[in-house]
Amino acid sequence: EAGVAQSPRYKIIEKRQSVAFWCNPISGHATLYWYQQILGQGPKLLIQFQNNGVVDDSQLPKDRFSAERLKGVDSTLKIQPAKLEDSAVYLCASNLAGSYNEQFFGPGTRLTVL
Amino acid sequence: DAKTTQPNSMESNEEEPVHLPCNHSTISGTDYIHWYRQLPSQGPEYVIHGLTSNVNNRMASLAIAEDRKSSTLILHRATLRDAAVYYCILRVASIDYGGSQGNLIFGKGTKLSVKP
Repeated sequence: EAGVAQSPRYKIIEKRQSVAFWCNPISGHATLYWYQQILGQGPKLLIQFQNNGVVDDSQLPKDRFSAERLKGVDSTLKIQPAKLEDSAVYLCASNLAGSYNEQFFGPGTRLTVL
Repeated sequence: DAKTTQPNSMESNEEEPVHLPCNHSTISGTDYIHWYRQLPSQGPEYVIHGLTSNVNNRMASLAIAEDRKSSTLILHRATLRDAAVYYCILRVASIDYGGSQGNLIFGKGTKLSVKP
């Protein structure tokens, strides 16, 4: 079974630029999550989708971050404009419908903002 | 959200058992205890979870105190591949399909080092 795919794996940008990350969840997984992991900390949930609808985006900085999952399968997370403090690993995870099921994580995208 | 407390780091020797503690004194009756681990440069992966009874799977065992205020993840024979950050997470049991109650809230975890 293929795992959660993410691209790119690494990205370096300058502050005030924009960047987008892509995630393809495990086939059949209705729930998709984006997490931000700052160095030395545990992952922090940014947004949760159920199919193509948003379940929880309470910790998403909506002035600069946006995410979509238009067809209920793959998803993109965008930052515009980026700030220095956005430097982190962005993790995508998915699971079967039902938020208590085991989550499967992708390898993440490491973003460096200079 | 219910909180967990874990040591920042632990060391183990290869092929010896490892006991990773977790305190969760404010746990409620509907909270499951989940463990995830994160190997270097990878996303977290599920290890094990339980409610009241001890649990075993191919990766590890979970021992839960009778009062449920603490638990211990047991790796029976540590290997170099087990070097990772281990997260103990309380997760509300919810049958709300599509709800956010059961979301994972990660702390800093315990960094396990394994010496050859």
